[in-house]
Amino acid sequence: DAGITQSPRYKITETGRQVTLMCHQTWSHSYMFWYRQDLGHGLRLIYYSAAADITDKGEVPDGYVVSRSKTENFPLTLESATRSQTSVYFCASRTSGGSSYEQYFGPGTRLTVT
Amino acid sequence: AQSVSQHNHHVILSEAASLELGCNYSYGGTVNLFWYVQYPGQHLQLLLKYFSGDPLVKGIKGFEAEFIKSKFSFNLRKPSVQWSDTAEYFCAVNAPRGSTLGRLYFGRGTQLTVWP
Repeated sequence: DAGITQSPRYKITETGRQVTLMCHQTWSHSYMFWYRQDLGHGLRLIYYSAAADITDKGEVPDGYVVSRSKTENFPLTLESATRSQTSVYFCASRTSGGSSYEQYFGPGTRLTVT
Repeated sequence: AQSVSQHNHHVILSEAASLELGCNYSYGGTVNLFWYVQYPGQHLQLLLKYFSGDPLVKGIKGFEAEFIKSKFSFNLRKPSVQWSDTAEYFCAVNAPRGSTLGRLYFGRGTQLTVWP
């Protein structure tokens, strides 16, 4: 049971380059989320998705693009990377059913923009 | 928007000491509450959750939390910490109704360091 995976786990890129972080889940969860984790800020929501082809902005969406053509995948693209986007990125998912709204997190991608 | 406050940014304890981490949220309606833990170099894992019923919730590894609605609080406790509890702890809240699509709002986290 793979659960939720992210790739790459580590990435170094240069300012101005386009970067795509991948997220894949095997549970067929409807909801998926992208967070960034920075010291002193905790986790901040970048984008989320309620289902395939339905996405919406979170707290810090600027400079990021998402798509969700398939339920199991939710890639996050940095169109033109900036140093301020150096961070650890976590993908999460949850089922649409139930009442507890628990989210399950991937292992994270550590991105460094030079 | 909802907000979550964790008052302690860094807590340092010796093994066997008792732990209480504060969490307050700003939402007057029905809420679901969570504590997540992040061990060094790892992803977030659910420690415990509250969504209804007994306000005293027991989680994994001897942790518990108490939901006090009148104080908008959900403090995390453990009577005797271990070195292996060294981690960052995040409180999160969700309002299950409305247009939030089940979003979680996280606090900034509390780094717990336990000395052996």
